Amino acid sequence: ETGVTQSPTHLIKTRGQQVTLRCSSQSGHNTVSWYQQALGQGPQFIFQYYREEENGRGNFPPRFSGLQFPNYSSELNVNALELDDSALYLCASSLVGQGDTQYFGPGTRLTVL
Amino acid sequence: GQQVMQIPQYQHVQEGEDFTTYCNSSTTLSNIQWYKQRPGGHPVFLIQLVKSGEVKKQKRLTFQFGEAKKNSSLHITATQTTDVGTYFCAVEGDTDKLIFGTGTRLQVFP
Repeated sequence: ETGVTQSPTHLIKTRGQQVTLRCSSQSGHNTVSWYQQALGQGPQFIFQYYREEENGRGNFPPRFSGLQFPNYSSELNVNALELDDSALYLCASSLVGQGDTQYFGPGTRLTVL
Repeated sequence: GQQVMQIPQYQHVQEGEDFTTYCNSSTTLSNIQWYKQRPGGHPVFLIQLVKSGEVKKQKRLTFQFGEAKKNSSLHITATQTTDVGTYFCAVEGDTDKLIFGTGTRLQVFP
């Protein structure tokens, strides 16, 4: 186990709603990255947070936003949910200066109806 | 943006047969990582390759980085049912964030 935890495990929302997903990083790690993994595809980078600031963003609209807290835990917020947002959302923690090896949490399975 | 292609997309093998997945990039890579994702699970880091022509082994798994640092392969000798899953390569993107390949799904029949 990586020590990265995510909550909730599963979530069902309806189109137009908002959702908040949470991630606790591995002890000692200061960087959290969020990925979206649609069924049958590889993870797609959403954004990364380092020391509470966004440190890079993938090709996702502004309705995907995030936060990192002083204890390095993180939240992913998605507003105005669309059907295509249904996916596994993964967070991964890493330590700057230790390469880009990322340790993934178990993910949150989001279903948008 | 940068894309990383993996082949094959699927591979079904009989237990005991060998398996290889290939990862190709159009640009020279600084390093490449490999991950394994079991069905219903999350990606688990396997290894990182950095040097041109580098070969690393983990028990029955052999990882290779091409001489031009544009391709990589993962070879599994004598597959077992525990090898089932999807194998992803991942490379650093323009912003130093990971870009995952398309993945190769391995199914092993006993």
